Amino acid sequence: DQQVKQNSPSLSVQEGRISILNCDYTNSMFDYFLWYKKYPAEGPTFLISISSIKDKNEDGRFTVFLNKSAKHLSLHIVPSQPGDSAVYFCAAMGTSYDKVIFGPGTSLSVIP
Amino acid sequence: DGGITQSPKYLFRKEGQNVTLSCEQNLNHDAMYWYRQDPGQGLRLIYYSQIVNDFQKGDIAEGYSVSREKKESFPLTVTSAQKNPTAFYLCASSMGLAVYFGPGTRLTVL
Repeated sequence: DQQVKQNSPSLSVQEGRISILNCDYTNSMFDYFLWYKKYPAEGPTFLISISSIKDKNEDGRFTVFLNKSAKHLSLHIVPSQPGDSAVYFCAAMGTSYDKVIFGPGTSLSVIP
Repeated sequence: DGGITQSPKYLFRKEGQNVTLSCEQNLNHDAMYWYRQDPGQGLRLIYYSQIVNDFQKGDIAEGYSVSREKKESFPLTVTSAQKNPTAFYLCASSMGLAVYFGPGTRLTVL
């Protein structure tokens, strides 16, 4: 049973436009949500996180929105750049930080 | 310069052989994890350890074994019982909210 879902396996966006990556979760006990970016044959790198007590967190071109009642979060990238082309993983953790659950990832292609 | 190291970057083994993947961290993190990534799939948790000398199975532990004799080290052994061992393996460590990943090891079983 997948606790963290990313229902879009891939997304293509024109350079300069907004990229919106979505993530849904089933476990209401998750307290923290994280987004990671991964290039081929490399380890994921942390992008941005959000605590369940917030509904928005912004860091430069990256903004994460959390809708706790809908168990949904999204990552917005504005403006999108070709270097943003990668696989993006949504992840969730509980308060005890006992393990990190990852979604299946969304492959983003930013077209110049 | 703190971080996580995994070696080697590429590893080739013959079918039926056990192989051990190394993971070392100097971040003083208590928790360490092993994930596997296959094409078109997300990161799947193999094993994790919250403290030295203790570890728990993740979602796909069958055919794998781990040890956590030192805080810095969390080696993963891929045994011959693992039916599809060819994959990209990622080690991670965490302290609270921060999770750090190693560069990964690409294991190919011939």
